[in-house]
Amino acid sequence: AQSVTQLDSQVPVFEEAPVELRCNYSSSVSVYLFWYVQYPNQGLQLLLKYLSGSTLVKGINGFEAEFNKSQTSFHLRKPSVHISDTAEYFCAVSEIPTDKLIFGTGTRLQVFP
Amino acid sequence: DAGVTQSPTHLIKTRGQQVTLRCSPKSGHDTVSWYQQALGQGPQFIFQYYEEEERQRGNFPDRFSGHQFPNYSSELNVNALLLGDSALYLCASSLVIANTGELFFGEGSRLTVL
Repeated sequence: AQSVTQLDSQVPVFEEAPVELRCNYSSSVSVYLFWYVQYPNQGLQLLLKYLSGSTLVKGINGFEAEFNKSQTSFHLRKPSVHISDTAEYFCAVSEIPTDKLIFGTGTRLQVFP
Repeated sequence: DAGVTQSPTHLIKTRGQQVTLRCSPKSGHDTVSWYQQALGQGPQFIFQYYEEEERQRGNFPDRFSGHQFPNYSSELNVNALLLGDSALYLCASSLVIANTGELFFGEGSRLTVL
């Protein structure tokens, strides 16, 4: 069975500062990896995904993530955050070839002016 | 191109009642999955429907049931509601042949059980 651990429940950061949201996963089989963002009172929007190939994945809104197989991590980064990035961020895995997602508990990113 | 639509957006029920939530998938998608998101938690997989059959199921009791119609839309039914069933219920759609694991989510139905 797979599991996902998001190491930080909340990350406060000032506008224009860099940020990293950490995600570790556990699985005995190959997986796909995802980051989703959830704005208040909304559903989930896909930020980026890793299926195969290059371990550095670029997504929407200037976010990127790096897949590290040896450390079973998939950390999300952004070099300069905006107030509008304030939201809940979820890391998720799915066992290949299914599309059943296992989510972490989320990280609340709070960007201050 | 309409995305995933869910109804109702909010509803309030009392313990013991039954509820039905509805979902229309993104145009062109044939698979519908349902997730429960309790307050402050990540979404939990309930089940998935493809070709009108339950394809996968998470660790939820039989009080949770579903259906998929020929037009790919879906319903989630919950019987004998408990206070702990209060949550945001998310529907997600995908295309099975894409095999990318990528899901498109609706904005959810927020259920409050009193």
